Amino acid sequence: AQSVTQLDSHVSVSEGTPVLLRCNYSSSYSPSLFWYVQHPNKGLQLLLKYTSAATLVKGINGFEAEFKKSETSFHLTKPSAHMSDAAEYFCVVSEYSGGGADGLTFGKGTHLIIQP
Amino acid sequence: DSGVTQTPKHLITATGQRVTLRCSPRSGDLSVYWYQQSLDQGLQFLIQYYNGEERAKGNILERFSAQQFPDLHSELNLSSLELGDSALYFCASSVVDRAYNEQFFGPGTRLTVL
Repeated sequence: AQSVTQLDSHVSVSEGTPVLLRCNYSSSYSPSLFWYVQHPNKGLQLLLKYTSAATLVKGINGFEAEFKKSETSFHLTKPSAHMSDAAEYFCVVSEYSGGGADGLTFGKGTHLIIQP
Repeated sequence: DSGVTQTPKHLITATGQRVTLRCSPRSGDLSVYWYQQSLDQGLQFLIQYYNGEERAKGNILERFSAQQFPDLHSELNLSSLELGDSALYFCASSVVDRAYNEQFFGPGTRLTVL
């Protein structure tokens, strides 16, 4: 079984400062990991994904995440926050157990607030 | 724009009623997934279809059912609706049935049960 824990329900940073959104996962198989973003009243957009290639993954809009198997973590970072980054961020895990890919398992989300 | 379309955008209905939500996947995608997003449960996987066949089930209630048609569009049927079914329902699609394939999400259907 797979699960995801997002360690912070809300994160507030000032514009221009670094962003860190924390995620820990649990998986019985080799997982694929994703970060999705949801802007208010919008659907979900993929930021980046990890699929057992490079452990440091670069995504869109300057975001990146590092897969650390020993820590079962997949934290999302960005060097400099922008006002447009204010949104809900979801850490997501997916497994393929041979019988078919299960649906994605979502964390509860982290609400990112950007202070001017 | 992800290329996944969902209709209707909003749906308001009464308890006990039945509704159908529709999803058209991205061109070429064979796999369709349905998710429910509510304040108390968060985002939950409901069910997956791949090329017309049910592939995986998540936390889908017995009052809910889905199907995928030969043209690959999918419908989610919700019956005997309860107040607690009020939520945002997302459809997503992917090319194949593999864990590493990202899913592309539609804009969602907001269901309000009064």
